Amino acid sequence: DTEVTQTPKHLVMGMTNKKSLKCEQHMGHRAMYWYKQKAKKPPELMFVYSYEKLSINESVPSRFSPECPNSSLLNLHLHALQPEDSALYLCASSQDSGVGQYFGAGTRLSVL
Amino acid sequence: AQSVTQLGSHVSVSEGALVLLRCNYSSSVPPYLFWYVQYPNQGLQLLLKYTSAATLVKGINGFEAEFKKSETSFHLTKPSAHMSDAAEYFCAVSNQAGTALIFGKGTTLSVSS
Repeated sequence: DTEVTQTPKHLVMGMTNKKSLKCEQHMGHRAMYWYKQKAKKPPELMFVYSYEKLSINESVPSRFSPECPNSSLLNLHLHALQPEDSALYLCASSQDSGVGQYFGAGTRLSVL
Repeated sequence: AQSVTQLGSHVSVSEGALVLLRCNYSSSVPPYLFWYVQYPNQGLQLLLKYTSAATLVKGINGFEAEFKKSETSFHLTKPSAHMSDAAEYFCAVSNQAGTALIFGKGTTLSVSS
């Protein structure tokens, strides 16, 4: 099973709302990732968790707050977003570095 | 620093024709290279990966890629295109620390009947 599950699939939120994106994998992978993807562009790395510790933060604004409650779950907490944050948010996981990441279907976020 | 360049933002082929999507890499160390496919409104699916074993890598859906160190290339091919192959294709390389993927800009493949 190479499945990474993301919820919700779609999310519409106002600029004052607080919401969370969720990601789950049961492949025993020890690295998990958040990416942001705008239309017709490649994914941009936001955060990397390795063994449940944040190892990379690609200078992402503080209105995005990641959390890794355990080795199977990854959350992205959203607060006071801007319309330009509207995008497809992708979660991925990998067993180890360099062996390829497996992606979820993404959450399509619209900020009004 | 690692990087990949995908030549051609848009490739159009007829059904049954050869598919060739080009990717060149830049890396100061032996690279790990990947091809991903993204269908509309979906996430990325791993097609195949090169991790310094065989230079000809076979992937899913009939795709394969050949690692050519002398040309710093990792082109993706499929002998006969299907309508269902129409999608966005991304070439990627692991960064030097092996902690993240660096993606090319993507190539849109269109298949006509």
